[in-house]
Amino acid sequence: GAGVSQTPSNKVTEKGKYVELRCDPISGHTALYWYRQSLGQGPEFLIYFQGTGAADDSGLPNDRFFAVRPEGSVSTLKIQRTERGDSAVYLCASSPGTEPYGYTFGSGTRLTVV
Amino acid sequence: GESVGLHLPTLSVQEGDNSIINCAYSNSASDYFIWYKQESGKGPQFIIDIRSNMDKRQGQRVTVLLNKTVKHLSLQIAATQPGDSAVYFCAAGPGNTPLVFGKGTRLSVIA
Repeated sequence: GAGVSQTPSNKVTEKGKYVELRCDPISGHTALYWYRQSLGQGPEFLIYFQGTGAADDSGLPNDRFFAVRPEGSVSTLKIQRTERGDSAVYLCASSPGTEPYGYTFGSGTRLTVV
Repeated sequence: GESVGLHLPTLSVQEGDNSIINCAYSNSASDYFIWYKQESGKGPQFIIDIRSNMDKRQGQRVTVLLNKTVKHLSLQIAATQPGDSAVYFCAAGPGNTPLVFGKGTRLSVIA
């Protein structure tokens, strides 16, 4: 597609529920990144895929968070047993995987846990 | 690891004036730096980037300056317009690893 698409744009869920957030990267981009942005803060790195594999998942806060990219294109961020502290905007970005490394971000999914 | 900080959380400028937003980074191994603009309800939008083998790079109305000696990065916006009002983030990292973002500076343009 022309840009990075994230769905849904907004998600409200109850504490303890499971949620999935989807990211459609730019066609042909091999690298895909998930970031989380809390109010008034900069994006915080969660996980990075190069192709189908997670190249770096050091930013995932705990084992309730998991992400997949089974075919090297669309990625899903999965959060189990959601907590109120998970409320944030979840941003996805993709890049060609080659220089100049600059990411293209989607508009994000605003997750609210009530 | 890398940490990135902005010098000022907010900045107000008169329309038509030049804006300067400053940023500091900690990791001397960082060799790639980017400035992003984020408007309300949108994802960060790429403005300009610079590699560590350069001191200055210019785009349309924007200039990025890099001082590796003091690990300092700045974004200059010429003739600031109301449409430039947004939050600006700098990000840094070794070129093929995830970028580390600062907290952002909110630029307000006074008409």
